[in-house]
Parts: sequence; structure tokens; C-alpha cells
Amino acid sequence: DAGVIQSPRHEVTEMGQEVTLRCKPISGHDYLFWYRQTMMRGLELLIYFNNNVPIDDSGMPEDRFSAKMPNASFSTLKIQPSEPRDSAVYFCASRLSGGAPHNEQFFGPGTRLTVL
Amino acid sequence: AQRVTQPEKLLSVFKGAPVELKCNYSYSGSPELFWYVQYSRQRLQLLLRHISRESIKGFTADLNKGETSFHLKKPFAQEEDSAMYYCALSALSGYALNFGKGTSLLVTP
Repeated sequence: DAGVIQSPRHEVTEMGQEVTLRCKPISGHDYLFWYRQTMMRGLELLIYFNNNVPIDDSGMPEDRFSAKMPNASFSTLKIQPSEPRDSAVYFCASRLSGGAPHNEQFFGPGTRLTVL
Repeated sequence: AQRVTQPEKLLSVFKGAPVELKCNYSYSGSPELFWYVQYSRQRLQLLLRHISRESIKGFTADLNKGETSFHLKKPFAQEEDSAMYYCALSALSGYALNFGKGTSLLVTP
């Protein structure tokens, strides 16, 4: 298994443009998480899904952010319109339900987003 | 509310010296505590979890419920330990992780 896959790895866009980040979780994992990493705020949980259903989106900063999980093997995080303050590294992670040893979250390589 | 505090943004030690990365948490229930590590140009990965009471790469961490701490320790630091370390908490029956802001460890020769 290639692990959690994210695309693109780098994205540079202009303010006001729509940005779509993509994630493929590890096959068989039923939880998927989206995080944002910045120097100022560290790693913040944005939203997570269980069996493709959003469970907690309280970390989504504002209505410009939306996330979907149309099936068990694909999720998107969309920012529309994008702003310079959205510049960050966005991580996707997945895990199995259950306690240890299944409670490890596996992270993707991240997407580095720069909004000019 | 859950909160994880890592008071040090940067910790620099010499090779062979002991290292301790501090982590304090606040949570009203029974937490699960983790340490994640991110080496340069690599993915964030699990280092250890308190439930397993394990030692990984020479690192250990003990959950101290009285002091609400989960400090990460290693008796003799190595240059390859240089990385970003994140302490994280989840509810015992929960799934989301609440991360601290991270501590950058630099081990110099």
C-alpha cells in the first residue's frame, strides 16, 4: 500500500481562485481527517469523516472551505474563493476504527498551498 | 475542552546529551496521548502512544495524570533525532487528534 495519497503536492494560485485538494485514504480505513499546518497555529483539525459521513466540521475556518467524501477511497477539500491567509500545508490522514493498535492515524505527504 | 501545550518551540541539545520534550494537556475525561514525529521531508508519523508503554528509538513517555503531562524523554540524543515533534491527545473513545504546536528538536554534534 502506498499509504495516504494527496494531490497536488504543491499548489500556487492567486487570490480569489478556487482550490481543490485531493486525498486517497489507505484502503479499508473508515476514518479520514483533514488538517491544516501553519507556523502560527501548528496542526489544526479541520474536519473528519467516518464511513464517508462528516462527523465534525467545527474546525473549518469559514464558509469558503468545504469538504466532501463521495466514496471510501476519495475526499476533497475545496477553498472558494482562496485568500492569502489560507496559505499553509494541508494534511490528510486516515485510520481504522477501534482502539490500539488501530488508533494510529496515518498521514499523507501534505499539499503546500500558496495563495498570492 | 481539550488542550495540548508544548511550551518549547525549539530545543537544541548536543549529541549524547539527555533530551526531554515537554507536553502538558488539559482534558476532563480519560485521554489517549501520543507523540508524532516529522523528520525533514518526510510524513508525520506516530512515534509512540501512552497505552502501549513502549520505547521507540530510545524514546519513552510516561503519562502523569497528576501533573497532566506526557513528556518525551531520551537519555542520549542522536543527530538523527533532529525533527519536529508533536504531542497529541484524543478522547479515550474518540478519534480526532488535538495536536500541540510542536517542538523542533535540533541535535548538534
